Formats: sequence, C-alpha cells, structure tokens
Amino acid sequence: NAGVTQTPKFRILKIGQSMTLQCTQDMNHNYMYWYRQDPGMGLKLIYYSVGAGITDKGEVPNGYNVSRSTTEDFPLRLELAAPSQTSVYFCASSYGHGELFFGEGSRLTVL
Amino acid sequence: AQKVTQAQTEISVVEKEDVTLDCVYETRDTTYYLFWYKQPPSGELVFLIRRNSFDEQNEISGRYSWNFQKSTSSFNFTITASQVVDSAVYFCAPLTGNQFYFGTGTSLTVIP
Repeated sequence: NAGVTQTPKFRILKIGQSMTLQCTQDMNHNYMYWYRQDPGMGLKLIYYSVGAGITDKGEVPNGYNVSRSTTEDFPLRLELAAPSQTSVYFCASSYGHGELFFGEGSRLTVL
Repeated sequence: AQKVTQAQTEISVVEKEDVTLDCVYETRDTTYYLFWYKQPPSGELVFLIRRNSFDEQNEISGRYSWNFQKSTSSFNFTITASQVVDSAVYFCAPLTGNQFYFGTGTSLTVIP
C-alpha cells in the first residue's frame, strides 16, 4: 500500500500564479484533511472532508479551495498565490476517529 | 476553536534520562480523542498514541507512557530512558467533532 501520496514535493510559484496540490490515498479512508505548517509552528487545518462530495472549512481556508469527487482524491487548489502561502502542506487521511495518516508533505515557496 | 497548549517549547535531556511532555487542552465536547504525534528532523509526521476521553486508564507501551487526567484536561506523554533517536518535535492533538487541533509542539533534543 502506498498510503497517502502528495505531489509535488517541492514547488516555487510567483505571486499571482495558481496551482493544485494533489493528494490521493489508497486506504479507503472516509476522512481527508489538508494542513499547513509554518516554520516552528504546529499544523493549521485548511480544509477537510468527511466523504466524497462533502468538504468543510478549517481554521485557515482563505486563498484555498478543495474538492472531493472520489474517496481517494482530495486536491488543494491555490488561487492567486501570495507570499503568506509559503509553507509546508500536509495531506492526511483517517478512518472514523482513528489516527491520521500523513503524506510526506509539499514544500511551497511563493516569491 | 478548541485550544491546545504545549507550554514547553524546547526541552533538552541527556540520553537515558526520562522526559515528560505536557499537554493541556480545551474542549466543550464530552466525548473526544487525544493523540500524540512525532515529527523527526526529516519532517514526516508519525502517530504515537491515541486515547479516548472515556478511558482514563494510563498505559505503558515500551518506552512510552501517558497520563490522561480528564478533570484537569491534561494529556502528558513520557519517554523513559530517552535515546538520541527520540530527538524530534512532539505534537499533542485532540480530535473533537471531525477536526484535529494541533498544539505548537515541543522540540525535544536528546544529547548523547
């Protein structure tokens, strides 16, 4: 099993550009999450999904969009990138109230 | 929003010492779950332990143990006989509703 796979691992964007971080899991988990981690900080929840077709905002959703058309995939879209979105992004999934399984992270720099 | 406090920002111990990481959380829920995660210097996030709010029995798993006290909303994590490989950032993360709330982490350095 691959677990949670995120792509790309690294990306540099210019201000105003857009991009999509891909996330897929092969564990048939119903819950999926996107977090961002700024240097020296904990994880902040951007968006989450409790199942296909259902998404909800977390603590820091501004500047991002998500969709959940299948159980496996939960892409995160950044529109009009800003320097404040420079961060490490983690996708995670879980089943019910079990532990989170994390992807390896995607390091995004906006210049 | 729920709040998680990890008051210890950084801790340094000498190898083989025991170390306890503190976590205090706020929640309005009567049923919830508590987790600890580890983030080594390589950056990945690793699950360590999970507790239910309705089970206050403290347990030991290898060199790890935890002390959950619902009355004080604390969920402390202890590493016994620390090793250099334990050097990492440790996050406490309550799960309430459908959301995990992460603390700011405690950076543990184990000195050989």
